[in-house]
Order: sequence, then C-alpha cells, then structure tokens
Amino acid sequence: GENVGLHLPTLSVQEGDNSIINCAYSNSASDYFIWYKQESGKGPQFIIDIRSNMDKRQGQRVTVLLNKTVKHLSLQIAATQPGDSAVYFCAENTGNQFYFGTGTSLTVIP
Amino acid sequence: DTAVSQTPKYLVTQMGNDKSIKCEQNLGHDTMYWYKQDSKKFLKIMFSYNNKELIINETVPNRFSPKSPDKAHLNLHINSLELGDSAVYFCASSHRTGPYGGYTFGSGTRLTVV
Repeated sequence: GENVGLHLPTLSVQEGDNSIINCAYSNSASDYFIWYKQESGKGPQFIIDIRSNMDKRQGQRVTVLLNKTVKHLSLQIAATQPGDSAVYFCAENTGNQFYFGTGTSLTVIP
Repeated sequence: DTAVSQTPKYLVTQMGNDKSIKCEQNLGHDTMYWYKQDSKKFLKIMFSYNNKELIINETVPNRFSPKSPDKAHLNLHINSLELGDSAVYFCASSHRTGPYGGYTFGSGTRLTVV
C-alpha cells in the first residue's frame, strides 16, 4: 500500500505486504531527516535517518528515500508485521531544530 | 532503565488549577525539550533548554513556565489551566553538538483539563 501523506493520513496494509509512507517536507535548506515511529501510549521512537547528501538509506526491513528536487521523503517497510502498526512521523532538521510532519497512521491487517 | 522519564503519565485536573510535569533524562544529553501533541497527533515544540539555559521559546502562553534545575531535568509548570491545554506533553533530549541521532522522547504525559 502507498500513502500520499497529508491527504491520506491513514494507511492499512495486509500483513506480509510492503508499506510505503510518504512525507512532503517544507524547507529546501533542511539537511537531515528522521523517521519516527509512535506506538499507542508511547513517545516517538527513532527508526532511521538520512542526510541530505544521500538519496537512499537502508536499515533492517526499512528503507528511507530522499528526493530533494521535489522535497519528498518516503519510508518503505518490507514484509509489514502487526508490530509495525503505529503512527509514523517524518522530521526535517533546519538550523539544528527538528520540525515534525503530520503523522501517518499505519494499520496492519492480520 | 528508562532513558527519558516523565511523571505523571496521566493528569486530570480542573480548569484554573496549577500543575507541574517532571522530566528527567539519564543519557548525559545537554539539551532538553518540551513538545505538545494535539488530538490530531501534531507535534509542536514548546521549549528547548541547553545546559539549564533557555534556547527556544515558541509562541506559548506565559502560563507555561519551564524550569531546569540541572541539565538532566526539565520540568513544566502550567498555571491557570484551560480546557485547550488538554493534550499529550512529551519531554525529549538530545546532544547539543549536532542533530544527528535526533531526539530521545519520554513516554508522554496525558493532561486532561475538565
């Protein structure tokens, strides 16, 4: 499943499918980006980051893609599991301060 | 071993009351933050302290006053609570030397004003 960020704040995917969560950031001067995962009743938790001199970074089951031309960031989750159900935030860093995007709620259907 | 701990986790209080939320971090970070998360999950920074010194003070009513007795603690005091103050408040910390690694957040304090 694919979400287009602000226009579709919720995303439902079948367990085992890949998920794509998108984020449009606002400041072309932003030089560092982080994806956070927030589970119910908890604080946001760091998942993966990327610096502006890169366009792709991979972690364990997660990949972040950065397109600076269109100021777009995406988070890909491979083989989505029920434990991936959460709200996901992108955050952009400008001048040593982070600005958080509107979250996307991911629901994994068993 | 909680890295950033906030107390209380839940706080229900009447309008007009004064309340405090406490935050402590054991990560050795020198910068701490308070964020407010509204019902739509939007996260907005309120304050930032570096080594007990206020460095960010966003447009927040002056009923909100942060206090940092030392660099491991940043408390939030709220006077004359209003219904619109109901939200989840998150404390976070980071290294001041740069943004890399982002912030470590506490588990939040859900404030309900009735």
